[in-house]
Amino acid sequence: NAGVTQTPKFRILKIGQSMTLQCTQDMNHNYMYWYRQDPGMGLKLIYYSVGAGITDKGEVPNGYNVSRSTTEDFPLRLELAAPSQTSVYFCATWLAGTYNEQFFGPGTRLTVL
Amino acid sequence: SQELEQSPQSLIVQEGKNLTINCTSSKTLYGLYWYKQKYGEGLIFLMMLQKGGEEKSHEKITAKLDEKKQQSSLHITASQPSHAGIYLCGADPGYSSASKIIFGSGTRLSIRP
Repeated sequence: NAGVTQTPKFRILKIGQSMTLQCTQDMNHNYMYWYRQDPGMGLKLIYYSVGAGITDKGEVPNGYNVSRSTTEDFPLRLELAAPSQTSVYFCATWLAGTYNEQFFGPGTRLTVL
Repeated sequence: SQELEQSPQSLIVQEGKNLTINCTSSKTLYGLYWYKQKYGEGLIFLMMLQKGGEEKSHEKITAKLDEKKQQSSLHITASQPSHAGIYLCGADPGYSSASKIIFGSGTRLSIRP
């Protein structure tokens, strides 16, 4: 099992550009999450999904969009990138009703200049 | 909204010494999670506590949730260089919601040889 994979690992964007951060899991977990982590801070929840076709906003959704067409994939879309979106982005999964362990991907480091 | 405060923010200890990290919540905790993050990497789940007074151990790391379920402590015995990293606590704001875990800002631990 690859677990949770994220691409790309690093990316530099110019202000106003758009991009999609990819997240894929092979554990058949129903819950998936996107977090951002700013330097020296904890994680802030951007969006989450409790299953294919269902998404909901977290604490800091502005400037982002998500979709969940399959159980495996949960892409995060940035439209009109801004310097405030410079951060490390983590995707995570959770199998509800089990041991309650959240699995994290390795992260995508994004810089907006 | 619920907030988590971790203390200390950073810690440098001599190898072999014991240390404690605290996580205090502004509201009752329904689930408290401890994670470790190596610099530049994703989060690794350590353990989860749910019941007041509960204590769990993993190798030389012990975590406890107090009876009132508003504070948790993480204790490392005989610290080693492999323990270095950032320790984050996360809280489930609703019983078994597993949907919107909030995080503390983390404690950065360095081990001095």
